[in-house]
Order: sequence, then structure tokens, then C-alpha cells
Amino acid sequence: GQQLNQSPQSMFIQEGEDVSMNCTSSSIFNTWLWYKQEPGEGPVLLIALYKAGELTSNGRLTAQFGITRKDSFLNISASIPSDVGIYFCAGTFTTGNQFYFGTGTSLTVIP
Amino acid sequence: DSGVTQTPKHLITATGQRVTLRCSPRSGDLSVYWYQQSLDQGLQFLIQYYNGEERAKGNILERFSAQQFPDLHSELNLSSLELGDSALYFCASSADRTSGGLDTQYFGPGTRLTVL
Repeated sequence: GQQLNQSPQSMFIQEGEDVSMNCTSSSIFNTWLWYKQEPGEGPVLLIALYKAGELTSNGRLTAQFGITRKDSFLNISASIPSDVGIYFCAGTFTTGNQFYFGTGTSLTVIP
Repeated sequence: DSGVTQTPKHLITATGQRVTLRCSPRSGDLSVYWYQQSLDQGLQFLIQYYNGEERAKGNILERFSAQQFPDLHSELNLSSLELGDSALYFCASSADRTSGGLDTQYFGPGTRLTVL
């Protein structure tokens, strides 16, 4: 099946630092989604991307749809303790069909 | 609140038993997806239904089955339960792009299944 490689697997950062993570696939996607999940909760949609090269922000979060359509990036600026959680990327290459998920990036913010 | 509802929130049962998890998608969403997430693991795609029909199947065991009803709610049936089936089960829904919506997927709060 389709594999999504997400890196890094985990990050430990100081409050106030910026964070970058990325996701790559072996196939071209037409949609990339980024989620945040907190323990015991469902993933919450952060940002959706629909066009190659698209750059979309949601507060301190910015995500980009890679121009090759095989990767996507998420940046968090000026991290705060409530950014703690697991961040997942997801993509689909066929509209209305299965989404494939990355393995997640666990973020810990040290006050 | 994503608009996707799941019941029950918690379920504790014994090995060998059968349980049914229920999901109501967001208003207007035709697709329902089921995922399993074991402790400290990623999301494992189980199955997708679109407007009542099975559309995609992932790593779903033969002991598990699902269906989507005419009112678009979905049920995931897990039978002959084993200890290893203990996990969070999530439902997600997405819009039908042909109606003008864009591909997204919104998750419910999940059902935590514990098999003793």
C-alpha cells in the first residue's frame, strides 16, 4: 500500500522555538491534510492543501503543498506549551477515495 | 466540535464477545471512514463507505465488518474479540467533491474499546 514518510518522528523543543516537519509520499497527491491529535482525542484538522505550491496559514501554523506533489511541510512558529501533541499528515490522490496517513510527529514543548 | 459523532465513548468487554460501534457523519457528508489506533500507534485505515456502498478496504480483519445505512450513519461490528483488538476506533467523514466541496476529512472523538 501507499506509504507516507513523516519526519521527524519526535521533537523536543523549547517554548518560543519554531518547528518544522515534513511528509513525503511515493505517489503524487492532489490533497494534503495536516492534523493534530492530543492523547485520547480524535485528530483535529489544522490545514488543508489542494494545489501544488499552495501555502496556507492557520494562526502560527503554515503548511505548504510541495511543487512535486509528493511532499508537504508544516511549520509552527513561536511554539507554546499547548502545541504539544502528535501531528499527522494525510493525503489522497483520488478524489473521494482513501486518505493515507503518515506515522506522526510527536511534539514536546519545554516551558 | 467536528460535527462527527461516535457512540459509545468507552466500551469494556470480554474476549470472544461482539460489539457495535456507531458513527454519524457531518451533515451532508457522504463518505465515512473507520480507523483503528492502538496504543502509541498511528492510524490504521480499516474501511470506507460512500453513500451506502463500500468504496475502499484497508487492513480490516475478517472478524470485523461495517455498513453504512440510508441515513448515512455507519456501524462497525467487531466480533470474536481478542485482547489485541483493544484500541481507539475513529470514524471520519468527508464531503462529496462532485457537489462542490473539497476533499477533507473530519474525525469523531473516537470509541475506546477495552477487551479484557
